[in-house]
Amino acid sequence: AQKITQTQPGMFVQEKEAVTLDCTYDTSDQSYGLFWYKQPSSGEMIFLIYQGSYDEQNATEGRYSLNFQKARKSANLVISASQLGDSAMYFCAMSSGGGADGLTFGKGTHLIIQP
Amino acid sequence: DARVTQTPRHKVTEMGQEVTMRCQPILGHNTVFWYRQTMMQGLELLAYFRNRAPLDDSGMPKDRFSAEMPDATLATLKIQPSEPRDSAVYFCASGLATGGLGANVLTFGAGSRLTVL
Repeated sequence: AQKITQTQPGMFVQEKEAVTLDCTYDTSDQSYGLFWYKQPSSGEMIFLIYQGSYDEQNATEGRYSLNFQKARKSANLVISASQLGDSAMYFCAMSSGGGADGLTFGKGTHLIIQP
Repeated sequence: DARVTQTPRHKVTEMGQEVTMRCQPILGHNTVFWYRQTMMQGLELLAYFRNRAPLDDSGMPKDRFSAEMPDATLATLKIQPSEPRDSAVYFCASGLATGGLGANVLTFGAGSRLTVL
């Protein structure tokens, strides 16, 4: 069974600061994928970034990067130069392989960016 | 941008009534998922289909929930009879499973918010 743990229920960050959202995972699979999704107050789920377990480089997408530490089973999301529009719920998720059989989500972190 | 379309966006109903939620996945996607989101449980996978065939519905209460995919452009989730504990946001998501190692990124619909009184 897979498990995702997000230990930060809520975070307040000043605008323009970098923010790290924590995610640890547990799985017995050798091949797996790690995802981050953003859910703004409007409710939709927006894909941010993906890291495969065999990827040697940390994934980056614009201001988002994924700090993947396989030995520690962590996949933290780093947002550089935070903006007010980054205020949202953020969910870490994992899958077996590439995600074809669905995702297991963590409980989420509510990020609030303050001006 | 291609979108997953869900209807209705909001539904308020009384206990015991039948509820049907519909989803139009992205054209060309071969995998469709139904998730339920509540404050207490977070996001839970209810069921999913690949190439219209149901692969897993172990997350779904079988006595009252049913999921179908009558054609490639429509997936349905039905609750009969509905109960107050079914109140939640129900998400449909679709993706393209290729069998390779690359990410099967799921695209989510906007969700159907269900309130059962």
